[in-house]
Parts: sequence; structure tokens; C-alpha cells
Amino acid sequence: SQQGEEDPQALSIQEGENATMNCSYKTSINNLQWYRQNSGRGLVHLILIRSNEREKHSGRLRVTLDTSKKSSSLLITASRAADTASYFCATAGANSKLTFGKGITLSVRP
Amino acid sequence: GAGVSQSPRYKVAKRGQDVALRCDPISGHVSLFWYQQALGQGPEFLTYFQNEAQLDKSGLPSDRFFAERPEGSVSTLKIQRTQQEDSAVYLCASSLGLGETQYFGPGTRLLVL
Repeated sequence: SQQGEEDPQALSIQEGENATMNCSYKTSINNLQWYRQNSGRGLVHLILIRSNEREKHSGRLRVTLDTSKKSSSLLITASRAADTASYFCATAGANSKLTFGKGITLSVRP
Repeated sequence: GAGVSQSPRYKVAKRGQDVALRCDPISGHVSLFWYQQALGQGPEFLTYFQNEAQLDKSGLPSDRFFAERPEGSVSTLKIQRTQQEDSAVYLCASSLGLGETQYFGPGTRLLVL
């Protein structure tokens, strides 16, 4: 079963624009992680935000977490064609196993 | 440094055949996880180890699936009497410990004919 639900399912933007992706989940969590997956390849870890944190930054990435609404957002600023990929949010409870959503397909047009 | 490695990268099996998938975690990583990813879906948890102890195997789909990590390092996921519905990418991840970032390997793509 999949806890996280990402929104939108697909996103197409122009290079240089910002991309915002949302994730909602159902149960309490210890942390939430965002991953990127290029076609046919493994998952690349982007950022981890813990349940007691509200916002984190890493380069062009900004992640927010609202535990009262059980939601998170991933913002990619100044997007590049190389950002084209599928993005997944994954939640971890006390037992650390990750529960993934179905993913968001991001296309960045040159 | 070396990341998580998995072998083989691709495996084609005839229905009913047994397969073994190997995972080499990042050196020093205590926790090791196996996930199954069907086409167009997010990964789904199968099982995880803390050192050599298998602490949770609630995600294994049936008793045909078996995982081990006898020395707390390399892990093997074995699928007996493979079925077509076992076709998927099998991902391995490792982390320094519970609650830490999980780093994924490239996966093994299994196709059962």
C-alpha cells in the first residue's frame, strides 16, 4: 500500500521556471524524504526533512513540511533540462521503512 | 566513495525458476532494505535488516520470497518458483542506521517469462 500521494501526477515547464510538487500522507511520520529517478535508473536521494523541521534548503531545492496538514512540498528553482525525471516523496515512521507515493513526472523543456 | 551495488542488473527467468539477487551496501551501513518497484509505480517495502537481524519482513508478498544477510553486510533476496507477477525492479538501500537517509542501488530488473 502507498501512503504518499504526490500532486500533480505530471508537470511540464520551461527551462528557467520554478517547479513545485506536493505530497500528502496519512499517518504520523519520523521524517519525509524526496527522491529523483531518471528513466530506467535507481533512486537518487535529494533531501530529508525530519518531523520537527518545517523547511530545508539544498542548492536549488527547497522542501517544506506541515505535519498538521500531513503535507510536504518540493520546490525546484531555475529548472534545467537535466531536472527532467520522476520525483517521489517517501515517508518513514518509527521503523524507518519508507512508504512511497506513485511519483510525479517532471518534464523541463529546453 | 562506492555506493550501493546490486547484481545482476538484469535477469530473465522462466516461470518456475529460482533466482537470487545480491546487494552490496555502503561499507559501514548497519541498516539494509529491499523494495520492489512495479512499472509506473513507486517502490514498495519488502523487508529490512539491522546488521544480520531481519527485523521486518512484513512486505514480502509470499513465502516464495526469502532474504538473508548472514554476516551483516551483503544481502541476498531469493525468489523461489518465480511467477510472472514477480516481474519488477528490485531495489536495495542501505543507511547508517534507523531514521537516517537511505541510499539506493541501481536495482535488478527481473523479467519472468
